[in-house]
Amino acid sequence: DTAVSQTPKYLVTQMGNDKSIKCEQNLGHDTMYWYKQDSKKFLKIMFSYNNKELIINETVPNRFSPKSPDKAHLNLHINSLELGDSAVYFCASSQDYRPPVEQYFGPGTRLTVT
Amino acid sequence: TQLLEQSPQFLSIQEGENLTVYCNSSSVFSSLQWYRQEPGEGPVLLVTVVTGGEVKKLKRLTFQFGDARKDSSLHITAAQPGDTGLYLCAGATGGGNKLTFGTGTQLKVEL
Repeated sequence: DTAVSQTPKYLVTQMGNDKSIKCEQNLGHDTMYWYKQDSKKFLKIMFSYNNKELIINETVPNRFSPKSPDKAHLNLHINSLELGDSAVYFCASSQDYRPPVEQYFGPGTRLTVT
Repeated sequence: TQLLEQSPQFLSIQEGENLTVYCNSSSVFSSLQWYRQEPGEGPVLLVTVVTGGEVKKLKRLTFQFGDARKDSSLHITAAQPGDTGLYLCAGATGGGNKLTFGTGTQLKVEL
């Protein structure tokens, strides 16, 4: 029944490792997003895909690589993890990219880099 | 870079009190949304406003979009503990789907 799901919920890893976060939505939406929420709860867009095509690519280190195998899935792979990558990462989806976009968020993945 | 400043940053009140949260920017937004986020969960959309001066009500919550579409307010009447959470405004510019989120207001309503 979960509309937007993410795995894992928690991820603890060491600096320099590579990790992935998976996201799936069962809402039939065309557009998906990745956001980063820092320790001050500030939420910032990282990427957006519409029907598997990248449409938003904010100023994010190229260690972060999103992949959309189909429009229901958007995964985030992070190479060479750094301490500053520690945050909560949220996946979201919307019907499409035409405004006003009403976004549905997943439960988040809390990434801790030690 | 568009910035959305929310005030207050933190608010702790007693059940039954009224409160207003503000969301201000120097940028014009084509639409503005309010989300509520509870601990350990993702933000949940409360409302979308698109017209300058628009007012929308959701039970005890009243949302207003400024006439110039640069600011918004959220008023809660007779707050309840279930209203506790992080309130985020988010604005969209032009014809894009990119949302700029506000700095957040952490609300705690106590019995």
